[in-house]
Amino acid sequence: SQQGEEDPQALSIQEGENATMNCSYKTSINNLQWYRQNSGRGLVHLILIRSNEREKHSGRLRVTLDTSKKSSSLLITASRAADTASYFCATEMTTDSWGKFQFGAGTQVVVTP
Amino acid sequence: EPEVTQTPSHQVTQMGQEVILRCVPISNHLYFYWYRQILGQKVEFLVSFYNNEISEKSEIFDDQFSVERPDGSNFTLKIRSTKLEDSAMYFCASRDNLNTEAFFGQGTRLTVV
Repeated sequence: SQQGEEDPQALSIQEGENATMNCSYKTSINNLQWYRQNSGRGLVHLILIRSNEREKHSGRLRVTLDTSKKSSSLLITASRAADTASYFCATEMTTDSWGKFQFGAGTQVVVTP
Repeated sequence: EPEVTQTPSHQVTQMGQEVILRCVPISNHLYFYWYRQILGQKVEFLVSFYNNEISEKSEIFDDQFSVERPDGSNFTLKIRSTKLEDSAMYFCASRDNLNTEAFFGQGTRLTVV
């Protein structure tokens, strides 16, 4: 089964608008992490949210986690052109002893000035 | 801020040649990982490494692959006889403990010709 699937696949917004993307998963998790990837570059860690947490903030980023629905959302407020990137959720399942992640296919966000 | 560093950033190799991808994890981290991302596809887990041994590996990580932490700072991925389908971005990651943030390097883009 697919773990950590993001939607939408692509999102195009204007600068200043908010961007929301979602991640769904199928099995119980220890934590879920969000990463950003600029085109062809490395994975930048954004936020980790653990299974006993419901919401976390970091600057303009807000992440929620609903374990009953097995879903998470990432909200970027007041978006900037520099937020243009692909965003991935990565889940660490409770059945994994060594902390590997399963990544989704990502949401490609384009912020136009 | 501490970061995971990977070298080289780009490697081109002929099919059948051996390649070694190098990573320097964050210094106090204990868990190490290799992932890869074929162009346009998801980030896939290859192997995890803890206490100087492989803790888990995926089906992708066959006998052509090996990892080593030769000197307490470097963490290497060796592909013995590269195939065209090994062309991908390879990411190293490290974390200090399970259920904590995992930090990724900038990646090595491997092109097999």
